[in-house]
Amino acid sequence: GAVVSQHPSRVICKSGTSVKIECRSLDFQATTMFWYRQFPKKSLMLMATSNEGSKATYEQGVEKDKFLINHASLTLSTLTVTSAHPEDSSFYICSARDSIGYTDTQYFGPGTRLTVL
Amino acid sequence: AQKVTQAQTEISVVEKEDVTLDCVYETRDTTYYLFWYKQPPSGELVFLIRRNSFDEQNEISGRYSWNFQKSTSSFNFTITASQVVDSAVYFCALPQEYDGQNFVFGPGTRLSVLP
Repeated sequence: GAVVSQHPSRVICKSGTSVKIECRSLDFQATTMFWYRQFPKKSLMLMATSNEGSKATYEQGVEKDKFLINHASLTLSTLTVTSAHPEDSSFYICSARDSIGYTDTQYFGPGTRLTVL
Repeated sequence: AQKVTQAQTEISVVEKEDVTLDCVYETRDTTYYLFWYKQPPSGELVFLIRRNSFDEQNEISGRYSWNFQKSTSSFNFTITASQVVDSAVYFCALPQEYDGQNFVFGPGTRLSVLP
């Protein structure tokens, strides 16, 4: 099946620093990738839709200057949490949509657990 | 607007019992896909099944089976002879109306299978 990798899997950083999370589709091309945030014992909350070669589309309430998304190639999207604060601590998950198969299936990365001290 | 409801927040069963996870959805699309994902304690979402709304045949994959009823907008998931490794949170999902890009997820059902 399709594989999506995410790096790093876990990161601890100091308040005020920036953290970059990478999401890669390893064996398929993904014109569209998604970034989710998940709080403990909650469902996934879509943060933004990342389209290759264009600006990301952010969901209401998500600060685009805080969560910078870049989708420079068909296999890589990055999420940068700028000037992180403790309230940004969360589990961030990316997914990549199988655009070639036209099946709408999203394949998810293993997630990144961010802890901001 | 679209909505996915998973009424069971948490379920506990003893190993080898059968368990059914409910999913009810709302959509204005006439054709659509439905999905189930499993999220074990490690956190990664694992794709389980994609179902086309055209096809109402029940699907079986090993100990897993799915019952899709378009008339009642339900897409229930049954695990037969459950095992401890089935313990996870299970999400039902539906692509957003009209453009089908992002998903609408249900709140998830946490399944605990006890030895």
